[in-house]
Amino acid sequence: KAGVTQTPRYLIKTRGQQVTLSCSPISGHRSVSWYQQTPGQGLQFLFEYFSETQRNKGNFPGRFSGRQFSNSRSEMNVSTLELGDSALYLCASSWGTGRFDYNEQFFGPGTRLTVL
Amino acid sequence: AQRVTQPEKLLSVFKGAPVELKCNYSYSGSPELFWYVQYSRQRLQLLLRHISRESIKGFTADLNKGETSFHLKKPFAQEEDSAMYYCASILQTGANNLFFGTGTRLTVIP
Repeated sequence: KAGVTQTPRYLIKTRGQQVTLSCSPISGHRSVSWYQQTPGQGLQFLFEYFSETQRNKGNFPGRFSGRQFSNSRSEMNVSTLELGDSALYLCASSWGTGRFDYNEQFFGPGTRLTVL
Repeated sequence: AQRVTQPEKLLSVFKGAPVELKCNYSYSGSPELFWYVQYSRQRLQLLLRHISRESIKGFTADLNKGETSFHLKKPFAQEEDSAMYYCASILQTGANNLFFGTGTRLTVIP
């Protein structure tokens, strides 16, 4: 089956702009989580959506937001971009139920965002 | 706050030698712990989870609650094991918010 897809794969923006990244989960998966990966901070959890509702949230400012659609596709938005937002943004999907067996997250290839 | 620590950024071993990648966690309760691996130009993928107690690609990891550790081990390293390894945890079953360690880059020298 098709894996997690993310679009676009690369993005260049300037400070102050906003950006929207998209993630399409594996068919049937209802949970989508987003992560930021930087050389300095490593992999950090942003937020998770399940059935169109934000279920968990990491320690990121309000400039980072997301949403999930009825088909489980998810978008994340970063407003008023700062240089420090340059990172690889990964999304991961899973079944998302409460049973441990379904907690395995499958990662997408990431979107590389560069802020100039 | 929960924390997962990987003390080694880089680790090099010779092919055929044993390898151990260290991971310590520091919070109370019953964590759920994982090892994720990222091979060159591939996606991050799950290698092991502590609850399944299985061996994948010859790797094993045992949860030691007394030492709060979840070290990843393999008795005989192979060149194809060269990759970035991340230890990760979630605080409670059902949550999908992985907290990652900083990662260890393993290089297996032929």
